[in-house]
Amino acid sequence: DIVLTQTPLSSPVTLGQPASISCTSSQSLVHTDGNTYFSWLHQRPGQPPRLLIYEISNRFSGVPDRFSGSGAGTHFTLKISRVEAEDVGVYYCMQATQFPFTFGQGTKLEVK
Amino acid sequence: QEQLVQSGAEVKKPGASVRVSCQASGYLLTGYYLHWLRQAPGQGLEWMGWINGYSGDTDYAQNFQGRVTMTRDTSINTAYMDVSRLTSDDTALYYCARRAAGTLSPDIWGQGTRVTVSS
Repeated sequence: DIVLTQTPLSSPVTLGQPASISCTSSQSLVHTDGNTYFSWLHQRPGQPPRLLIYEISNRFSGVPDRFSGSGAGTHFTLKISRVEAEDVGVYYCMQATQFPFTFGQGTKLEVK
Repeated sequence: QEQLVQSGAEVKKPGASVRVSCQASGYLLTGYYLHWLRQAPGQGLEWMGWINGYSGDTDYAQNFQGRVTMTRDTSINTAYMDVSRLTSDDTALYYCARRAAGTLSPDIWGQGTRVTVSS
């Protein structure tokens, strides 16, 4: 199975300041069809996750533009340009390039 | 409004089976794949498999092969996941989630169904 490793596991941030989360894959996430099925999800306490970014850098419908994704191959990054209170929670990276689809361990974003 | 509504919480004894249902509204199940995932208490997300809403074809994670069955009833726009031979390790929140159009990621999620396995 593909292992996704997120860093950091916990990130205390100040409102209005940027935040960044990295995700490293144990193997390339480039699919044979040429796409890279890598995404980021956000889960607030007591809620199901919601899709933020798909295929590395595409913001899902309704996601604020302060969220951006980048990377290629095995290294990926999620950046929040200015953290807002509603951004707290756990962020997961996910790969859907190879069965079984797998997730990172999660990064907890909390306000200082 | 497109949404997925799951069945209520279940408490089962070890060795028993459980069925979780997931009813789609605002869209047709036949137009999309449906992921099934779970989240153990305080833990991360685990993908269990998915079902093609049109054909009924399934792909299961190896960890669940032989113990999980995913089906759908298109007449009532509802999908099901059966998990057999439950152990305490299966205690978790189970989610269904629609595969987003144009990609493979899950976009619309159900509210989750809590399954507790306890003697």
